[in-house]
Amino acid sequence: AQSVTQLGSHVSVSEGALVLLRCNYSSSVPPYLFWYVQYPNQGLQLLLKYTSAATLVKGINGFEAEFKKSETSFHLTKPSAHMSDAAEYFCAVSGATNKLIFGTGTLLAVQP
Amino acid sequence: EAGVAQSPRYKIIEKRQSVAFWCNPISGHATLYWYQQILGQGPKLLIQFQNNGVVDDSQLPKDRFSAERLKGVDSTLKIQPAKLEDSAVYLCASSYWTSGGAAYNEQFFGPGTRLTVL
Repeated sequence: AQSVTQLGSHVSVSEGALVLLRCNYSSSVPPYLFWYVQYPNQGLQLLLKYTSAATLVKGINGFEAEFKKSETSFHLTKPSAHMSDAAEYFCAVSGATNKLIFGTGTLLAVQP
Repeated sequence: EAGVAQSPRYKIIEKRQSVAFWCNPISGHATLYWYQQILGQGPKLLIQFQNNGVVDDSQLPKDRFSAERLKGVDSTLKIQPAKLEDSAVYLCASSYWTSGGAAYNEQFFGPGTRLTVL
């Protein structure tokens, strides 16, 4: 069975600081991995995806993530946080029928 | 291109009442998904349709939840009777994915319906 674990349900950073959101996965087959962002009262928006090409994946809004098979990790980073980055972030893995299996989410707060 | 449409956006009902949610996917998308997102948790797949057939409904509480996609386009999710623990956001998503095709196709999500059961 496939699953993802997000470490830290709440993360707070200062504006301009590094953002690091952690995700570890479990999969018996090479995984497809995703990061989604959810703003209040909105649906999910795809930030970036790993589909077995380059291990360093760049997404929208300056985010990137690195697939590390040896660590079974897919952590999300952004060099400099902006106030508009405050949102909830979900890591997900794709199952056999393209369904998404989500982690529990990390709420990112950005302090001025 | 129009996105995934859902209605209503918000619904408040008493327990034991019934409720229905509607989803219209992106035009041409074969697969439609309903996810349940309980506060503090990630979304969980309830049911997946490919055209008008069910691909996966293993986590749908079939004693009270039902869903249909009769013409392979829009879909309705119903809860009857509702329980307090059904309070959640119900997200609809769609994609081009079909079985036997590409291993992955991006899912596009609607804004969700927030259900409160009192």
